[in-house]
Amino acid sequence: DQQVKQNSPSLSVQEGRISILNCDYTNSMFDYFLWYKKYPAEGPTFLISISSIKDKNEDGRFTVFLNKSAKHLSLHIVPSQPGDSAVYFCAAGRLGQNFVFGPGTRLSVLP
Amino acid sequence: GAGVSQSPSNKVTEKGKDVELRCDPISGHTALYWYRQSLGQGLEFLIYFQGNSAPDKSGLPSDRFSAERTGGSVSTLTIQRTQQEDSAVYLCASSRGLAGGPVVFGPGTRLTVL
Repeated sequence: DQQVKQNSPSLSVQEGRISILNCDYTNSMFDYFLWYKKYPAEGPTFLISISSIKDKNEDGRFTVFLNKSAKHLSLHIVPSQPGDSAVYFCAAGRLGQNFVFGPGTRLSVLP
Repeated sequence: GAGVSQSPSNKVTEKGKDVELRCDPISGHTALYWYRQSLGQGLEFLIYFQGNSAPDKSGLPSDRFSAERTGGSVSTLTIQRTQQEDSAVYLCASSRGLAGGPVVFGPGTRLTVL
């Protein structure tokens, strides 16, 4: 029973174009969401977060959108760069409780 | 230190032996998490400590797994009688817990059970 789903195991995008990574969750009690990037042989690196009181949060090339009614969030990377190639994990939870991670989406940005 | 540190970075052990993995969280972070990532899999939650509250052990896969956090800081994850399926990267993370902020991960310990 996956509480956090990332239905695309992989995604390929041309350099300079937009990358859109999707994430769905099932628990309506979740109120805090995070995206992480992971390179091989390294721990996950925090990218961006959003709380349930907002529907959008931007940080440079990264924007996270939250649709609470659909229990869906997405990460947009614009413009995509080859260095963005990594596995991206979505995580959801409640502050003060543990976070549940999705299975990840492997992004490949092609030069 | 500035980040979450874990030791050892790599551990190779024989099936049936016990192993201990250590995590030093960021100073002042009240929440500490253990996750593991098996080859080709996502991040699997193991256990979560928040302040002085009883830990959330709901992710521990069997009673061979245990963890403790001493003095609200350093944590040790112990795996007894290791099995080959325990082979994974074990990731520790910490956060400010109820105060919010991102969960910061350590580099992980790669455990290989032969």
